[in-house]
This record gives sequence, C-alpha cells and structure tokens, in this order.
Amino acid sequence: GAGVSQSPRYKVAKRGQDVALRCDPISGHVSLFWYQQALGQGPEFLTYFQNEAQLDKSGLPSDRFFAERPEGSVSTLKIQRTQQEDSAVYLCASSFTGGRYEQYFGPGTRLTVT
Amino acid sequence: GDSVTQMEGPVTLSEEAFLTINCTYTATGYPSLFWYVQYPGEGLQLLLKATKADDKGSNKGFEATYRKETTSFHLEKGSVQVSDSAVYFCAFYPSQGAQKLVFGQGTRLTINP
Repeated sequence: GAGVSQSPRYKVAKRGQDVALRCDPISGHVSLFWYQQALGQGPEFLTYFQNEAQLDKSGLPSDRFFAERPEGSVSTLKIQRTQQEDSAVYLCASSFTGGRYEQYFGPGTRLTVT
Repeated sequence: GDSVTQMEGPVTLSEEAFLTINCTYTATGYPSLFWYVQYPGEGLQLLLKATKADDKGSNKGFEATYRKETTSFHLEKGSVQVSDSAVYFCAFYPSQGAQKLVFGQGTRLTINP
C-alpha cells in the first residue's frame, strides 16, 4: 500500500510567519512520530502520538511548536512565529503499533526560513 | 545519557570494496538496533534491524551483528556497488518504554565505479 506522505515537500517562510506541515501515515498505523533533521545531522525526535493521544512531546524545542492528530490518522505540525533556526527537514514516521517496531518514514518537508 | 556514535564520514570507496561503518551505543538495558539508509532525494528507509544480543540483521548484502559486550552494531558489506551510495544512519530505542528512535549523525558513503 501507500507509504507515509508529507506535504508540502518544500516550504519557504519569512521569519515570523506561521507554518503547518501535514503527515499522512500508513493506513492502520497506530503510532506517529515527528523528527527534525538539521543539515548534515541525524533526525532528532520531536513528538509521538499513539492514536490521537500525544504521549511524548519532550523533543519540541519551544512552545512555538505544536502538533496534533485529532482523529488518530493525519497529523499536523505547526510552527508559530518561525525563526531562522527552525530551518530543517521535518520528518514524519509511523509504525504499526506501540512498542519497538520499525518506523516507516515519509520523504520529509524541507522548511527554509528567510 | 542514551546516545549513538557513528563513524564519521564521508567515506569514499571503489566498487567491489569491503565496507564497514562503525556504530556504538550507550544505553541501559538491551535496546533494539537499526540501520536506516537515505538515498539521494529520498526518505529514510529501514535497511536492517536486530532486537537482541547476537542477532544478525541482513538485507541487500548488508549485515550487522548486535554485540552486547562491545555495545556495537557495525554495518558491513563484502562488495559495494555504485548504487549503495547514500547516507547511513545507526539508530536505537534507548530504553524500556521509550518510543523515540535515537539516531547517529549519519555516514555519507560514495562508491566510485
């Protein structure tokens, strides 16, 4: 079936603008994750959902970052008042259930804040 | 704290050479270990995994063995191809109950014909 999809693939925002990044997980996958990947670095965890419940948001770098998954499927990562340091690739991943299963990643959204 | 250290890149090899990319981790307990690969212009893909000590994960000619005594999960391939050029990431679930993957910084591999 279809993999994890993300939109938009590229986003350019002026500093101070709000952005919303969308993730469509694999159908039936219970767990959904957001990661931030800076240039030349490995992905870093932002937040985790099991169904619609946000169980871990310890990686969100500031209160400008907000994520939701209201119906337990599609998720949106919102960044308010973007700053240049927010420029990165934002990756979404899903897995079949909770537990230590492999995560399936989307292609990412490359955010550039100017 | 929980972390993973990967061999620094970039690594450049000739086709058919032997590849090793080192990965060591620091964690409590017995984490599940993964290698992910990112081909140019594509998203992260799971390459292989191992969930307990002495397990060997393998896929596409790549292998990695979970070594508890050295806390390592080195990636190897006997004969690399140009198509193996990519960035490779070692990752693990750091502790019981933690749902987030912790990644190394990645190793960029280039294979020349």
